[in-house]
Amino acid sequence: GNSVTQMEGPVTLSEEAFLTINCTYTATGYPSLFWYVQYPGEGLQLLLKATKADDKGSNKGFEATYRKETTSFHLEKGSVQVSDSAVYFCALLGSGNQFYFGTGTSLTVIP
Amino acid sequence: DTEVTQTPKHLVMGMTNKKSLKCEQHMGHRAMYWYKQKAKKPPELMFVYSYEKLSINESVPSRFSPECPNSSLLNLHLHALQPEDSALYLCASSTSGSWGQETQYFGPGTRLLVL
Repeated sequence: GNSVTQMEGPVTLSEEAFLTINCTYTATGYPSLFWYVQYPGEGLQLLLKATKADDKGSNKGFEATYRKETTSFHLEKGSVQVSDSAVYFCALLGSGNQFYFGTGTSLTVIP
Repeated sequence: DTEVTQTPKHLVMGMTNKKSLKCEQHMGHRAMYWYKQKAKKPPELMFVYSYEKLSINESVPSRFSPECPNSSLLNLHLHALQPEDSALYLCASSTSGSWGQETQYFGPGTRLLVL
């Protein structure tokens, strides 16, 4: 079946630190992979996506590469800002257009 | 434009009330979704409409009743809810194109409190 395993949080970093949030998946077929971000009190916003192996999604300084050999889609950012404080969800799009979400990782960036 | 709008933003209701949540998108998407999200948890799928027909109901209690009047609108009718139904209710839409290629776009959610 389909599932997503996401790095446990919460994560606290200082401004300008390097960020990695790990995400691995189990899937049948060739799923698309996504990172969504949820700021406090808001809905989910699409951060980036990748639809096939070796694709790199990027947006707002965040990057993630679809690694089929390690079944991973880790989120990275070279220099985080206070405004990046949010909950980050890794997700897999399976058959029937159903999303399988990871449990979410809360990130707090301190000045 | 990738906007999904939801109203109201906040809703407080008693267990005997009847209320409705509304969701709207004008992106021409043909699939629309309702999710429920509890605090510090990922969204849980409730319903999926594809081409205005209910295609997935994830064993949701009958006190939640979805409706898709047209391809741009999605409602969630609420009746006789329980306090444990308090949550953020998210609407999403997608193009309903090729398998595995669709991105879901989420609205800001309605934060529901049942007293």
